[in-house]
Amino acid sequence: KAGVTQTPRYLIKTRGQQVTLSCSPISGHRSVSWYQQTPGQGLQFLFEYFSETQRNKGNFPGRFSGRQFSNSRSEMNVSTLELGDSALYLCASSFERGRAQDTQYFGPGTRLTVL
Amino acid sequence: AQSVTQLDSHVSVSEGTPVLLRCNYSSSYSPSLFWYVQHPNKGLQLLLKYTSAATLVKGINGFEAEFKKSETSFHLTKPSAHMSDAAEYFCVVSDQANAGGTSYGKLTFGQGTILTVHP
Repeated sequence: KAGVTQTPRYLIKTRGQQVTLSCSPISGHRSVSWYQQTPGQGLQFLFEYFSETQRNKGNFPGRFSGRQFSNSRSEMNVSTLELGDSALYLCASSFERGRAQDTQYFGPGTRLTVL
Repeated sequence: AQSVTQLDSHVSVSEGTPVLLRCNYSSSYSPSLFWYVQHPNKGLQLLLKYTSAATLVKGINGFEAEFKKSETSFHLTKPSAHMSDAAEYFCVVSDQANAGGTSYGKLTFGQGTILTVHP
């Protein structure tokens, strides 16, 4: 089975622009979660989607948004980019509905640099 | 609310010696606990997970962890370190989803422990 894939792997943007990142979960997985990883804040939960519905959201401003499609693929969007948005964005998928016991499998991440 | 504390930001060992990475957690519910490893410029790989079955959990590459509820700990160990074990390790907690669904899909990560293995 193919793993979680994320595109693009690297992005360079300038302040004020917007960006869209894509995540394809493992086949059959219906829950997709997004995380931001920075040296200062570590790994932080952004949001989780299941069956095209956002079930949970972390403590991030409204500039961060996402969606999930009927085939479980997910996108996240960041508008009005700030320098502090530079990070590794990780996507994870799991089979069940995001229950605690589920294992989340991570993609390789998208490295976003904001200049 | 759930939280995780990894007690060491850096651990350095010699190849062939034991590894101990320490983790304490806090959770309002019955948690599931995980250890993930991240090699440079790579995503996160699951090492092992505890989900209220056996308290001693065996994972991949010879790693294991013991869940101790009385100590709220979930330390990761390996009897003999290998050069390829050099990486950053994350202890992770996930609360059992509550009725409000506010825990769905949310993993809470520790700050990470960088493991260095010397020849």
